[in-house]
Parts: sequence; structure tokens; C-alpha cells
Amino acid sequence: EAGVAQSPRYKIIEKRQSVAFWCNPISGHATLYWYQQILGQGPKLLIQFQNNGVVDDSQLPKDRFSAERLKGVDSTLKIQPAKLEDSAVYLCASSLWFGTDTQYFGPGTRLTVL
Amino acid sequence: GENVEQHPSTLSVQEGDSAVIKCTYSDSASNYFPWYKQELGKGPQLIIDIRSNVGEKKDQRIAVTLNKTAKHFSLHITETQPEDSAVYFCAARPGNRDDKIIFGKGTRLHILP
Repeated sequence: EAGVAQSPRYKIIEKRQSVAFWCNPISGHATLYWYQQILGQGPKLLIQFQNNGVVDDSQLPKDRFSAERLKGVDSTLKIQPAKLEDSAVYLCASSLWFGTDTQYFGPGTRLTVL
Repeated sequence: GENVEQHPSTLSVQEGDSAVIKCTYSDSASNYFPWYKQELGKGPQLIIDIRSNVGEKKDQRIAVTLNKTAKHFSLHITETQPEDSAVYFCAARPGNRDDKIIFGKGTRLHILP
């Protein structure tokens, strides 16, 4: 079975620019997560979707970050405008359903903000 | 909210020796404790997990123990091999959330030849 796909794998931008990341979860997985992983730290949940509805976005900096999952499959995460402290790896994960244990992670997008 | 502490941050062991990574959690209602392995340039991958009604679980060279009273759990890797070199994350699921997991800061494990 194909895993979680993410693109791009790497992105370098100037501060105040915009950037978008794309995620395609494992087929049939209803729950999708976006995490931010700063160098030397564990992943931190930004937003969680159940199908196309938001379950938890309490850690999402809503003044600059936005995410959507319009058809309950693919998802995009956007940052506008980017700050230096947004430099991190952005991980997408999916699980079969809300409440199932295992989350499957994609390879991540490494963002560098200059 | 839940807080997960992980030690050590870096661990070097000789190939063939054992490695132990320890974690503590703050929410006594936490009920699920997964361990993830992250190799360079890849996303975390689940390697073993344990639920709060179990004290120990083993899968080949990997074992996890849980002490609910002390609120700590540990990962044990025996007969370490070069491919065990990676960053390992412990995590805990708070009792009030069925799916959210909180990660520790990670342990970078080096297997020395």
C-alpha cells in the first residue's frame, strides 16, 4: 500500500513570502494531521482533520497559517507571510479513523526561511 | 495538558550492546504510549506501542515497559545493530483525547562499530 505522500520535499523562501505544502494521505484514511517539527524537537500538532472537517486547530497560528482538506482526501497547508521561526520540517500523517492508534507519517517538507 | 520528557537526548552504544531510552509523562489518565523511529530525511515510523493496561511488551529485539504509578515508560533495544542508528521519540496520548499524541523531544541513538 502506498504511504503518505508530501511535496515539495524542500523549500527555501525569504521571510514575508508565502509557501504551500501538499499532502496525500493513505487511501481510505479519514483522519489527517499536520505537524511542525523544529530541529532537535519532537513533532508538534498544528491541525487535525476528520474527513474535511477540522477536529483540532488549537496550536495553529491562525494569523499566518491556514489549512484545508476540501474533498476529505488531499490537504494543503499554507504559511503567509513566513517568519524566520517557521523554519522547520512540516510532517503530514494519517490514520484510518478518529481514535485509531497508529499514525502513518509522510517524509515531510523541510522549510528554510531566510 | 500532557507533557512528555525524554532522556537522554543523545546515546552512543557499542554494536551488540543494549540501549535504553526513558520517558516520563504528566497526565495520569494517559492510556497509550507509542514509540517512533525517525531516520534521516524520513518521517517518524511506529516501532512499538503499549497501552496502560499492560506492563511490558516485546517485539524481537525491542521491548517497552510501563510503570503507571511512577508515570514513566522505557524503550529497550537489545543486540543493537548499525541500522538502529536513528532518532527515537516516545509519545503519550492524553486520557481526554482518543487520538492526539504528545511527543517527547527525541533521543539520537548512535551505534558505534
